[in-house]
Amino acid sequence: DGGITQSPKYLFRKEGQNVTLSCEQNLNHDAMYWYRQDPGQGLRLIYYSQIVNDFQKGDIAEGYSVSREKKESFPLTVTSAQKNPTAFYLCASGPHRDRAGGYGYTFGSGTRLTVV
Amino acid sequence: KQEVTQIPAALSVPEGENLVLNCSFTDSAIYNLQWFRQDPGKGLTSLLLIQSSQREQTSGRLNASLDKSSGRSTLYIAASQPGDSATYLCAAVLDSGGSNYKLTFGKGTLLTVNP
Repeated sequence: DGGITQSPKYLFRKEGQNVTLSCEQNLNHDAMYWYRQDPGQGLRLIYYSQIVNDFQKGDIAEGYSVSREKKESFPLTVTSAQKNPTAFYLCASGPHRDRAGGYGYTFGSGTRLTVV
Repeated sequence: KQEVTQIPAALSVPEGENLVLNCSFTDSAIYNLQWFRQDPGKGLTSLLLIQSSQREQTSGRLNASLDKSSGRSTLYIAASQPGDSATYLCAAVLDSGGSNYKLTFGKGTLLTVNP
């Protein structure tokens, strides 16, 4: 089945440590996105990539880095520069043709990152 | 900058009731608007997508409408069930000439349907 796979589901980070969140899609989508979700704040865009070897900063890119070496993969690294990394991270890809003829986006199941 | 607002932030209804969730956006030059459902600790599941040229979309007990001129979308849920309990998010995509699609999300409406 086609879809987006995020791993791990839960991740614990020590102070000063870099961690990498994985996002893989087999939907043949061109664009991929990383969002951060905090309670009461909705989803905020961290980085996005529209083609391989190219990516742009979103609204809250500081303390994060990404790469897009393959169409299927868009890993997110949370660096030690990110002062408040505890959050739920969601990866998305698209656009895809919706049954109604529009273009929509598909989300993964998320990674919950906690600083310990 | 596009801003998306969802009202109410939380809603509790008895089973069987029809209900409406509201979403408003500040920039009417949207490409499409997508409604998602999110269960606790889970990812987002797409419910309905409305292109800017469309007025509404339907899927089962769900109906989403779009009024670009007033910057509003509504999600109507008929005959609500306890299994509908979740957070509902709307997201608007700006029309930037086909080169740059980013979703801007509202903060969501937490729906609880009581048996």
